[in-house]
Amino acid sequence: AQTVTQSQPEMSVQEAETVTLSCTYDTSENNYYLFWYKQPPSRQMILVIRQEAYKQQNATENRFSVNFQKAAKSFSLKISDSQLGDTAMYFCAFMNGNTDKLIFGTGTRLQVFP
Amino acid sequence: SQTIHQWPATLVQPVGSPLSLECTVEGTSNPNLYWYRQAAGRGLQLLFYSVGIGQISSEVPQNLSASRPQDRQFILSSKKLLLSDSGFYLCAWSVLTGDYGYTFGSGTRLTVV
Repeated sequence: AQTVTQSQPEMSVQEAETVTLSCTYDTSENNYYLFWYKQPPSRQMILVIRQEAYKQQNATENRFSVNFQKAAKSFSLKISDSQLGDTAMYFCAFMNGNTDKLIFGTGTRLQVFP
Repeated sequence: SQTIHQWPATLVQPVGSPLSLECTVEGTSNPNLYWYRQAAGRGLQLLFYSVGIGQISSEVPQNLSASRPQDRQFILSSKKLLLSDSGFYLCAWSVLTGDYGYTFGSGTRLTVV
């Protein structure tokens, strides 16, 4: 069974600084996708970034980028130039390409301080 | 554009009472639909998913059930709520392959008292 582990329950960063959130996963599959979701205080789940396992190039979306290490089964999220609006819970998620079911980690609560 | 509606936003129910949470999707056909539960301080747990009308798969044995009476309608139900059913319930949909991730509804906060 696939599992997703986020070992940092809470993180904090000062505004304009950079922060990295960690995520590891376990799977024997080759065809899969990885995601980072953001859940602000409103509780709405928002897709931040996705990565296809067969692509070696790390995904980037504006200030958000990932460090995808397939052999190590690691998928970290880097937030550059942190903003107050980045304060939220961040969930790492795994999808087996054959089942379309998202499996979530337990989340990291990020607080951005002014 | 596609939108997903989920209601009610909050609900307080006594133990032993029935439950019905509804989710509808607009702007797409034959979506995959999902119900997740988020307990306090924990991640999201997949409860049910559906790939078509009347097709429901259960991930976790529990006090809840799901139904899909129409293509874009997904209902989460219980005949008798337990205290442990309290949590934040999220509905989501995806296109057929799902590899672009899910789009989530705004959620229902259920408190069983």
